[in-house]
Amino acid sequence: QKEVEQDPGPLSVPEGAIVSLNCTYSNSAFQYFMWYRQYSRKGPELLMYTYSSGNKEDGRFTAQVDKSSKYISLFIRDSQPSDSATYLCAGTGGTSYGKLTFGQGTILTVHP
Amino acid sequence: ETGVTQTPRHLVMGMTNKKSLKCEQHLGHNAMYWYKQSAKKPLELMFVYSLEERVENNSVPSRFSPECPNSSHLFLHLHTLQPEDSALYLCASSQISGTVDGYTFGSGTRLTVV
Repeated sequence: QKEVEQDPGPLSVPEGAIVSLNCTYSNSAFQYFMWYRQYSRKGPELLMYTYSSGNKEDGRFTAQVDKSSKYISLFIRDSQPSDSATYLCAGTGGTSYGKLTFGQGTILTVHP
Repeated sequence: ETGVTQTPRHLVMGMTNKKSLKCEQHLGHNAMYWYKQSAKKPLELMFVYSLEERVENNSVPSRFSPECPNSSHLFLHLHTLQPEDSALYLCASSQISGTVDGYTFGSGTRLTVV
């Protein structure tokens, strides 16, 4: 079993739609949960992170973590064509340095 | 220069060649990482250097040889690679015991082995 499972998609939605991206994980040591966005020919950039369970909102983006079910979600409201990218979920915890474990990534396309 | 810089951006090499990937960070971080990103697979952590000492080597074949001469520079030396080694190689840096929002990736080197 992979430590972090993510549906690779691809996911195609019209502009303005609400997008839901999801991951599951198996490592109980994870304390931080991250969502990265990766544009073509670029490295991943951190979009949001959450510590333990709960919700976090930043503009059109909301991250949710449910540690009891080991489920991570990212919601994008009023999606824009500029949101088209690969979205990677990741978890980390238990080491002093940042050992991140990633999901496969979901390819999202928002069409005008 | 700011952030994490990787060179070259693209590299094509034959299976008998020897080449090196370079990573430089200008963030004052003290941990550096090599990841491999292949199509349809999660990012795979290859090596971790913490305070210039290798602390993780995740069963990476010996044809990949990392080097961390100081806290700002990280190299990945490549020799006798296989076509399945073609991938995007990403470097990252962070501060030990720092917050996750300080973890920064470079733009990667796209490697093609022919």
